[in-house]
Amino acid sequence: EPEVTQTPSHQVTQMGQEVILRCVPISNHLYFYWYRQILGQKVEFLVSFYNNEISEKSEIFDDQFSVERPDGSNFTLKIRSTKLEDSAMYFCASSESAGPSYEQYFGPGTRLTVT
Amino acid sequence: ILNVEQSPQSLHVQEGDSTNFTCSFPSSNFYALHWYRWETAKSPEALFVMTLNGDEKKKGRISATLNTKEGYSYLYIKGSQPEDSATYLCAFPRAGSARQLTFGSGTQLTVLP
Repeated sequence: EPEVTQTPSHQVTQMGQEVILRCVPISNHLYFYWYRQILGQKVEFLVSFYNNEISEKSEIFDDQFSVERPDGSNFTLKIRSTKLEDSAMYFCASSESAGPSYEQYFGPGTRLTVT
Repeated sequence: ILNVEQSPQSLHVQEGDSTNFTCSFPSSNFYALHWYRWETAKSPEALFVMTLNGDEKKKGRISATLNTKEGYSYLYIKGSQPEDSATYLCAFPRAGSARQLTFGSGTQLTVLP
């Protein structure tokens, strides 16, 4: 069964460093998302991406964050200068279409620890 | 502010027990409700997408119902097994957006053998 994959599973970085989190969405899906979950809090939406551009983003997704689909398979989230509060589990998801009844398929997450 | 609430926060049941938990959501501007099952260190797995009032969906021993007028959905597990131990999340598309899912805090189910 097709699945969303993410690498690395765990990333430790120092405050102020740049990190890139990688995702391979399901191959025939057209919509891509990033969510995050800070320990003990709810899963939060960050950004959605379609047709090589951001379609929606939340208040969390500020200028420190960017997304890219550098080739036909990868989807990346870059955090330019990490802060301690960026420590969280980051989930990538993809869906065939954007309607509310379409399932979003999630990857296993990347745990980002900023020290 | 869109609030999706789940209860209880955690639940311990014995193997073979049936159980249920609740997701509450704003009843206005309803589009759909998603249920996910999330085991530690694995991907959250989509269980159901509920769209119609009165909807009832079933997958094996797990089923879900939906009441859009009063703004709640129940997830039922019949004859719980240890492998059902997971966090069950519900998520609601944000009003005006088909793409942003707003998640509840989840119900953490532990099934004791």
